[in-house]
Amino acid sequence: EVHLLESGGALVQPGGSLRLSCAASGFTFSSHSMGWVRQAPAKGLEWVSSITDTFTTYYADSVKGRFTISRDNPKNTLYLQINSLRAEDTAVYYCGMSFYWGQGTLVTVSS
Amino acid sequence: DIVMTQSPDSLAVSLGERATINCKSSQSLLSSSNNKNFLAWYQQKPGQPPKLLISWASSRESGVPDRFSGSGSGTDFTLTISSLQAEDVAVYYCQQYYNILYTFGQGTKLEIK
Repeated sequence: EVHLLESGGALVQPGGSLRLSCAASGFTFSSHSMGWVRQAPAKGLEWVSSITDTFTTYYADSVKGRFTISRDNPKNTLYLQINSLRAEDTAVYYCGMSFYWGQGTLVTVSS
Repeated sequence: DIVMTQSPDSLAVSLGERATINCKSSQSLLSSSNNKNFLAWYQQKPGQPPKLLISWASSRESGVPDRFSGSGSGTDFTLTISSLQAEDVAVYYCQQYYNILYTFGQGTKLEIK
């Protein structure tokens, strides 16, 4: 059974940084592309970033240059480094693969 | 990017009646390699993460009531709830996984009339 567990969300000040983690199990992590989506309060689901099994990365225009996606295959873990945080980055961040998504981790940007 | 567009944005249906939600993609989600449509449907209730209902456009997840069904192919898809129950009040999303820029529809809010 596919299981994805996000962590690392927190309350941070504008301009701050965070690293989100996603622990994966139940499938061959190294063989699959992975991604992050987010959901701002009372809003829909927005794709943020993805990384292929060969480490090619993709970013939404809204986060390009501020967010960095990476993966550690031996640890079965996906990461999202988020820098220069803005109020509009406040959201629940979900990691996933295909149609499997985790429970999410909350990032709140506020002074 | 593949743009996903749902209709309607909101829907009010009487208990026991049929609810139909549509989802249109900006390009075909049908793969020639496996003849499957890379389309999923989710249900989201307040304060909860999205719950997977249907994958591959029409494959119902284990434990999902059979009143939920998915249909369609290519660029046009439908989620049908055959007999609305009170616990079905939620926001419903479609999502494409044809490419890894995983895009979602804007959501359809389903309420009881």
